[in-house]
Amino acid sequence: EAQVTQNPRYLITVTGKKLTVTCSQNMNHEYMSWYRQDPGLGLRQIYYSMNVEVTDKGDVPEGYKVSRKEKRNFPLILESPSPNQTSLYFCASSRGLAGVYGETQYFGPGTRLLVL
Amino acid sequence: GDSVTQMEGPVTLSEEAFLTINCTYTATGYPSLFWYVQYPGEGLQLLLKATKADDKGSNKGFEATYRKETTSFHLEKGSVQVSDSAVYFCALHTGNQFYFGTGTSLTVIP
Repeated sequence: EAQVTQNPRYLITVTGKKLTVTCSQNMNHEYMSWYRQDPGLGLRQIYYSMNVEVTDKGDVPEGYKVSRKEKRNFPLILESPSPNQTSLYFCASSRGLAGVYGETQYFGPGTRLLVL
Repeated sequence: GDSVTQMEGPVTLSEEAFLTINCTYTATGYPSLFWYVQYPGEGLQLLLKATKADDKGSNKGFEATYRKETTSFHLEKGSVQVSDSAVYFCALHTGNQFYFGTGTSLTVIP
C-alpha cells in the first residue's frame, strides 16, 4: 500500500530535550516536505526536499532541522524544543517538482507534539 | 508574497444543501491550485486540483474552477452529505513551495 508513515503519532516532551520525528514514504517520491498545523493558521511549510541531500527552508524553519540521506526518509529534528513548537506536524511527499506539474502531495497521519 | 485566503468557518449545512467555500490567492507566476480535505484524526487528502487558468477540477461531486481574472478557486458542491463533514483547505503551489489557507470546517447535519 502506498503511504507516508510518521512516528511517533503522539509525543509529550519537555523544553530543551532533543527529539526526532521520522517520516518515510514507499512511493519513490522525490519531493518531501514537513508542515505544522496550528488553529487559525492552517498548514505552514517548515522545510522541503527536492531529492536526496537537497533541502530548503519553507516559511517557518526556525527551531527545526531536517536531513535527506535516503530518498524514502525525511526526519524532522527539534534540537531544543520550546513550548511554541507545540503543534500538529505533517509529513508529505510527491512525485516530482509539484509546482511545474501540479503533482499531488500525499500526507502522513500527523504527529501531535506537546512541549512542556 | 504568495498566499491563500479562504472563507472563515465553521460552516454548518443541512444535508442536500448547496455548498460554496471561497478561496482567493495571491501568487507570482502561474500556480497550480488544490483543494485538500481533512477528516477527523487524519492527514490531508487531495480532493481536486487545477493546473492552469480556466481548468475545472472535480471529484466526488465537488468542483472548483481556476479563475485567473479573479484569482479565485472556489469550492462548490450541489448537494452535501453528512459524510462530507470535514475541514477543507485551499492550497497553491508555485515554485517549490506550497501555501495553504487556514481551513474551513464543514459540518453537515441530517
